[in-house]
Amino acid sequence: EPEVTQTPSHQVTQMGQEVILRCVPISNHLYFYWYRQILGQKVEFLVSFYNNEISEKSEIFDDQFSVERPDGSNFTLKIRSTKLEDSAMYFCASGATGGESNQPQHFGDGTRLSIL
Amino acid sequence: GNSVTQMEGPVTLSEEAFLTINCTYTATGYPSLFWYVQYPGEGLQLLLKATKADDKGSNKGFEATYRKETTSFHLEKGSVQVSDSAVYFCALSDGGATNKLIFGTGTLLAVQP
Repeated sequence: EPEVTQTPSHQVTQMGQEVILRCVPISNHLYFYWYRQILGQKVEFLVSFYNNEISEKSEIFDDQFSVERPDGSNFTLKIRSTKLEDSAMYFCASGATGGESNQPQHFGDGTRLSIL
Repeated sequence: GNSVTQMEGPVTLSEEAFLTINCTYTATGYPSLFWYVQYPGEGLQLLLKATKADDKGSNKGFEATYRKETTSFHLEKGSVQVSDSAVYFCALSDGGATNKLIFGTGTLLAVQP
């Protein structure tokens, strides 16, 4: 079964540095998402991406964050000038459709980001 | 806005016990409802889904029925196994253009032999 893959599985970074989290969505999917889960809290939506542009973003997704699909397979989340509170598990997901809500999203195993 | 409320965990059961994890939601319109499971050290996996009122989603012995009148989507299993130990997340999607998911806080299930 095709799956979403994320790298790295764990990223440790000094506060103030930039990080790039990488994802390879399922190949025929068109909708891409990033979510995060701060330890002990709920999974929160960050951003959705379709047709090479952001289709929706949450309040969390401020100017510190950006997403990109640099080629036909990768989908990246960049966090500039990281803060301690950015420490979380970041999940990438992809879906075949967007407006049809009965089509589930498929998630990667996540990247655990630790900011020191 | 849309939201999902799950029962607090952890839930600790003996093997072969009956499981219920409560989930209620608040949403405008007609959301689709999902249960995702996260096994230790792994990502989120779709367990089951229901897309309209009175639909029953089922998978691996787990079931949940979309109850519009009580805005609930409780997860049940008749006989749990040690291998069911995981965190279970209830979620909804509002069917908007982006189909983003809104999650509950997750419920840790620990099944003891």
